Amino acid sequence: GENVEQHPSTLSVQEGDSAVIKCTYSDSASNYFPWYKQELGKGPQLIIDIRSNVGEKKDQRIAVTLNKTAKHFSLHITETQPEDSAVYFCAAPNSGYSTLTFGKGTMLLVSP
Amino acid sequence: DSGVTQTPKHLITATGQRVTLRCSPRSGDLSVYWYQQSLDQGLQFLIHYYNGEERAKGNILERFSAQQFPDLHSELNLSSLELGDSALYFCASSGSSRLAGRGGELFFGEGSRLTVL
Repeated sequence: GENVEQHPSTLSVQEGDSAVIKCTYSDSASNYFPWYKQELGKGPQLIIDIRSNVGEKKDQRIAVTLNKTAKHFSLHITETQPEDSAVYFCAAPNSGYSTLTFGKGTMLLVSP
Repeated sequence: DSGVTQTPKHLITATGQRVTLRCSPRSGDLSVYWYQQSLDQGLQFLIHYYNGEERAKGNILERFSAQQFPDLHSELNLSSLELGDSALYFCASSGSSRLAGRGGELFFGEGSRLTVL
Protein backbone atom coordinates (compact mmCIF):
# COMPACT_ATOMS: atom_id res chain seq x y z
CA GLY A 1 0.00 0.00 0.00
CA GLU A 2 0.87 3.68 -0.14
CA ASN A 3 3.38 5.05 2.39
CA VAL A 4 3.38 8.79 3.05
CA GLU A 5 6.19 10.46 4.96
CA GLN A 6 5.80 14.04 6.17
CA HIS A 7 8.39 16.50 7.50
CA PRO A 8 8.86 18.35 9.73
CA SER A 9 6.65 17.19 12.59
CA THR A 10 6.66 20.69 14.09
CA LEU A 11 7.43 24.05 12.54
CA SER A 12 7.61 27.40 14.31
CA VAL A 13 7.73 30.64 12.32
CA GLN A 14 7.27 34.33 12.93
CA GLU A 15 4.23 36.07 11.52
CA GLY A 16 4.93 37.15 7.96
CA ASP A 17 7.50 34.41 7.31
CA SER A 18 7.00 31.58 4.83
CA ALA A 19 6.45 27.96 5.85
CA VAL A 20 7.16 24.84 3.82
CA ILE A 21 6.00 21.31 4.63
CA LYS A 22 7.25 18.37 2.59
CA CYS A 23 5.85 14.92 1.89
CA THR A 24 7.06 11.88 0.01
CA TYR A 25 4.99 8.98 -1.27
CA SER A 26 5.86 5.50 -2.40
CA ASP A 27 3.39 4.50 -5.12
CA SER A 28 4.37 5.97 -8.48
CA ALA A 29 0.82 5.36 -9.74
CA SER A 30 -0.65 7.86 -7.25
CA ASN A 31 -2.07 10.90 -9.03
CA TYR A 32 -3.97 12.96 -6.47
CA PHE A 33 -2.40 14.77 -3.52
CA PRO A 34 -4.54 16.81 -1.10
CA TRP A 35 -3.58 18.84 1.95
CA TYR A 36 -5.85 19.02 4.99
CA LYS A 37 -5.70 21.54 7.83
CA GLN A 38 -6.82 20.59 11.34
CA GLU A 39 -7.49 23.41 13.78
CA LEU A 40 -7.64 22.76 17.52
CA GLY A 41 -10.75 20.82 18.46
CA LYS A 42 -11.87 20.42 14.86
CA GLY A 43 -11.72 17.77 12.19
CA PRO A 44 -9.36 18.09 9.21
CA GLN A 45 -10.50 20.28 6.34
CA LEU A 46 -9.31 20.25 2.73
CA ILE A 47 -7.36 23.40 1.88
CA ILE A 48 -5.74 22.61 -1.46
CA ASP A 49 -5.01 19.65 -3.70
CA ILE A 50 -3.00 18.87 -6.81
CA ARG A 51 -3.21 16.28 -9.53
CA SER A 52 -0.29 14.67 -11.26
CA ASN A 53 -0.86 16.47 -14.56
CA VAL A 54 0.31 19.80 -13.07
CA GLY A 55 3.45 20.76 -11.21
CA GLU A 56 2.12 23.63 -9.12
CA LYS A 57 -1.17 25.05 -7.91
CA LYS A 58 -1.78 28.28 -6.02
CA ASP A 59 -4.66 29.63 -3.97
CA GLN A 60 -3.94 33.05 -2.48
CA ARG A 61 -1.23 32.54 0.16
CA ILE A 62 -0.96 28.79 -0.19
CA ALA A 63 0.58 26.75 -2.97
CA VAL A 64 1.39 23.12 -3.56
CA THR A 65 4.18 21.79 -5.76
CA LEU A 66 4.57 18.27 -7.07
CA ASN A 67 7.65 16.44 -8.34
CA LYS A 68 6.45 13.13 -9.75
CA THR A 69 9.93 11.94 -10.64
CA ALA A 70 11.13 12.31 -7.09
CA LYS A 71 7.73 11.33 -5.66
CA HIS A 72 7.43 14.30 -3.37
CA PHE A 73 5.07 17.23 -2.94
CA SER A 74 5.19 20.30 -0.75
CA LEU A 75 2.86 22.84 0.82
CA HIS A 76 4.02 26.46 0.80
CA ILE A 77 2.37 29.12 2.94
CA THR A 78 3.52 32.71 2.41
CA GLU A 79 2.99 35.72 4.68
CA THR A 80 1.96 33.46 7.55
CA GLN A 81 -0.61 34.71 10.04
CA PRO A 82 -1.42 33.48 13.57
CA GLU A 83 -4.63 31.91 12.26
CA ASP A 84 -2.49 29.62 10.08
CA SER A 85 -1.45 27.85 13.29
CA ALA A 86 -2.81 24.31 13.00
CA VAL A 87 -1.83 20.75 12.14
CA TYR A 88 -1.39 20.15 8.42
CA PHE A 89 -1.71 16.71 6.84
CA CYS A 90 -0.63 15.64 3.39
CA ALA A 91 -2.24 12.60 1.80
CA ALA A 92 -2.09 10.28 -1.17
CA PRO A 93 -4.50 7.65 -2.48
CA ASN A 94 -4.39 4.20 -0.96
CA SER A 95 -4.20 1.18 -3.24
CA GLY A 96 -7.61 0.89 -4.85
CA TYR A 97 -8.16 4.66 -4.53
CA SER A 98 -11.07 4.17 -2.14
CA THR A 99 -9.60 6.51 0.42
CA LEU A 100 -6.49 8.42 1.46
CA THR A 101 -3.34 7.55 3.34
CA PHE A 102 -2.32 10.52 5.48
CA GLY A 103 1.07 11.67 6.63
CA LYS A 104 1.59 11.97 10.38
CA GLY A 105 1.01 15.71 10.34
CA THR A 106 2.96 18.90 10.90
CA MET A 107 2.10 21.23 13.75
CA LEU A 108 2.64 24.78 12.49
CA LEU A 109 2.96 27.52 15.10
CA VAL A 110 2.91 31.12 13.88
CA SER A 111 4.03 33.60 16.51
CA PRO A 112 2.81 37.22 16.35
CA ASP B 1 -19.31 23.45 10.32
CA SER B 2 -18.69 20.47 8.00
CA GLY B 3 -22.22 19.14 8.35
CA VAL B 4 -20.95 15.83 9.75
CA THR B 5 -22.16 15.09 13.28
CA GLN B 6 -20.42 12.72 15.66
CA THR B 7 -21.60 11.61 19.08
CA PRO B 8 -20.52 11.41 21.79
CA LYS B 9 -17.81 14.08 21.75
CA HIS B 10 -16.08 12.58 24.77
CA LEU B 11 -16.26 9.10 26.28
CA ILE B 12 -14.40 7.65 29.24
CA THR B 13 -14.64 3.95 29.90
CA ALA B 14 -12.72 1.04 31.41
CA THR B 15 -10.66 -1.70 29.86
CA GLY B 16 -12.72 -4.63 28.63
CA GLN B 17 -15.80 -2.52 27.97
CA ARG B 18 -17.65 -1.94 24.70
CA VAL B 19 -18.65 1.41 23.20
CA THR B 20 -20.50 2.63 20.15
CA LEU B 21 -19.61 5.80 18.28
CA ARG B 22 -22.18 7.36 16.01
CA CYS B 23 -21.82 9.40 12.85
CA SER B 24 -24.40 11.30 10.82
CA PRO B 25 -22.97 12.25 7.43
CA ARG B 26 -23.76 15.41 5.50
CA SER B 27 -27.22 15.35 4.00
CA GLY B 28 -27.17 13.20 0.89
CA ASP B 29 -23.61 11.91 1.28
CA LEU B 30 -23.47 8.18 0.57
CA SER B 31 -19.90 7.51 1.67
CA VAL B 32 -18.77 7.30 5.28
CA TYR B 33 -15.18 6.79 6.36
CA TRP B 34 -13.84 6.11 9.84
CA TYR B 35 -10.37 7.20 10.91
CA GLN B 36 -8.47 6.81 14.18
CA GLN B 37 -6.16 9.62 15.25
CA SER B 38 -3.49 9.03 17.86
CA LEU B 39 -0.45 11.14 18.71
CA ASP B 40 2.11 8.66 17.41
CA GLN B 41 0.23 7.22 14.43
CA GLY B 42 -1.52 10.21 12.94
CA LEU B 43 -4.71 9.58 10.97
CA GLN B 44 -5.21 5.86 10.37
CA PHE B 45 -7.93 4.68 8.00
CA LEU B 46 -10.23 2.10 9.55
CA ILE B 47 -13.12 1.40 7.18
CA HIS B 48 -15.23 2.84 4.34
CA TYR B 49 -18.94 2.33 3.68
CA TYR B 50 -20.85 3.37 0.61
CA ASN B 51 -24.64 3.35 0.66
CA GLY B 52 -24.77 0.66 3.30
CA GLU B 53 -22.09 -1.61 1.91
CA GLU B 54 -18.55 -2.05 3.14
CA ARG B 55 -16.14 -0.89 0.43
CA ALA B 56 -12.68 -0.94 1.96
CA LYS B 57 -10.95 -1.92 5.16
CA GLY B 58 -7.82 -0.43 6.57
CA ASN B 59 -6.04 -1.11 9.83
CA ILE B 60 -9.18 -2.06 11.72
CA LEU B 61 -8.81 -4.51 14.57
CA GLU B 62 -11.05 -7.57 14.76
CA ARG B 63 -12.42 -6.16 18.05
CA PHE B 64 -13.80 -3.24 16.06
CA SER B 65 -16.75 -3.34 13.70
CA ALA B 66 -18.87 -0.84 11.84
CA GLN B 67 -22.03 -0.58 9.83
CA GLN B 68 -23.97 1.94 7.81
CA PHE B 69 -27.71 1.98 8.16
CA PRO B 70 -30.41 2.63 5.52
CA ASP B 71 -30.69 6.26 6.67
CA LEU B 72 -26.91 6.49 5.94
CA HIS B 73 -25.79 7.12 9.50
CA SER B 74 -22.94 4.91 10.65
CA GLU B 75 -21.81 3.36 13.89
CA LEU B 76 -18.37 2.18 14.94
CA ASN B 77 -18.41 -0.48 17.64
CA LEU B 78 -15.29 -0.97 19.75
CA SER B 79 -15.22 -3.98 22.08
CA SER B 80 -12.85 -5.53 24.63
CA LEU B 81 -11.29 -2.12 24.95
CA GLU B 82 -7.61 -1.77 25.77
CA LEU B 83 -5.63 1.22 26.99
CA GLY B 84 -4.11 1.58 23.53
CA ASP B 85 -7.53 2.16 22.00
CA SER B 86 -7.61 5.60 23.57
CA ALA B 87 -7.70 7.99 20.63
CA LEU B 88 -9.75 10.47 18.66
CA TYR B 89 -12.10 8.74 16.24
CA PHE B 90 -13.16 10.68 13.19
CA CYS B 91 -15.95 10.08 10.78
CA ALA B 92 -15.81 11.68 7.35
CA SER B 93 -18.37 11.72 4.60
CA SER B 94 -18.17 12.36 0.90
CA GLY B 95 -20.93 13.07 -1.54
CA SER B 96 -18.79 13.14 -4.62
CA SER B 97 -19.17 10.38 -7.15
CA ARG B 98 -15.38 10.29 -7.07
CA LEU B 99 -13.67 8.05 -4.57
CA ALA B 100 -11.63 9.94 -1.98
CA GLY B 101 -8.46 8.63 -3.59
CA ARG B 102 -9.48 10.09 -6.93
CA GLY B 103 -10.37 13.53 -5.67
CA GLY B 104 -13.59 13.20 -3.73
CA GLU B 105 -13.35 15.69 -0.86
CA LEU B 106 -13.66 14.28 2.64
CA PHE B 107 -15.75 16.27 5.15
CA PHE B 108 -14.74 15.40 8.69
CA GLY B 109 -16.77 15.61 11.86
CA GLU B 110 -15.24 17.00 15.04
CA GLY B 111 -14.42 13.55 16.35
CA SER B 112 -15.21 11.40 19.37
CA ARG B 113 -12.46 11.34 21.98
CA LEU B 114 -12.27 7.93 23.65
CA THR B 115 -10.34 7.49 26.86
CA VAL B 116 -9.87 3.96 28.19
CA LEU B 117 -8.79 3.76 31.83
